[in-house]
Amino acid sequence: DAMVIQNPRYQVTQFGKPVTLSCSQTLNHNVMYWYQQKSSQAPKLLFHYYDKDFNNEADTPDNFQSRRPNTSFCFLDIRSPGLGDAAMYLCATGEREGQETQYFGPGTRLLVL
Amino acid sequence: QKEVEQNSGPLSVPEGAIASLNCTYSDRVSQSFFWYRQYSGKSPELIMSIYSNGDKEDGRFTAQLNKASQYVSLLIRDSQPSDSATYLCAVRTGFQKLVFGTGTRLLVSP
Repeated sequence: DAMVIQNPRYQVTQFGKPVTLSCSQTLNHNVMYWYQQKSSQAPKLLFHYYDKDFNNEADTPDNFQSRRPNTSFCFLDIRSPGLGDAAMYLCATGEREGQETQYFGPGTRLLVL
Repeated sequence: QKEVEQNSGPLSVPEGAIASLNCTYSDRVSQSFFWYRQYSGKSPELIMSIYSNGDKEDGRFTAQLNKASQYVSLLIRDSQPSDSATYLCAVRTGFQKLVFGTGTRLLVSP
């Protein structure tokens, strides 16, 4: 089945220790998104890629970076995680054309100690 | 004013009843509207999308859109305990972007 996959599902890191979260898709969608969601809050868009074009949200901290080496994979790098970065990180994919429905992966729960 | 507003709930309904979830949005030019269901600790799952004024039905779910009032709703008929979740309203406000509400928590009691 076509899907969005995120690894790992749970990640524990130490304060200030870099961490990378990964997302892959078999939907062949040209847009990939990274969201941060904290408890009882709406998903917050961090950035997205349309093909290789990177689009950063204005309020995304510099501590968050992303890479998309090919259509199928996208990575979220947190260079120096702080306690406030503990959250669920959601990857989503979509098509630029049409109505731009977004499909979410299962998420990665990040814990910062 | 928040771009997408939802009552956080919880909305409590008995099994078999109709659950009505509401959402308002601020951007008049929004064209696409989505309802996602999110179980605790899980990722959002698309339930319905609606683009034109009126009603759109899919099984037990009906989405209603009124662009003049900037209002979108989701009706769940014959509510089941398995429908207990948080329902997120999402609005496409710009190219390739969705803005989400904070969600309404629905509790369906047996």
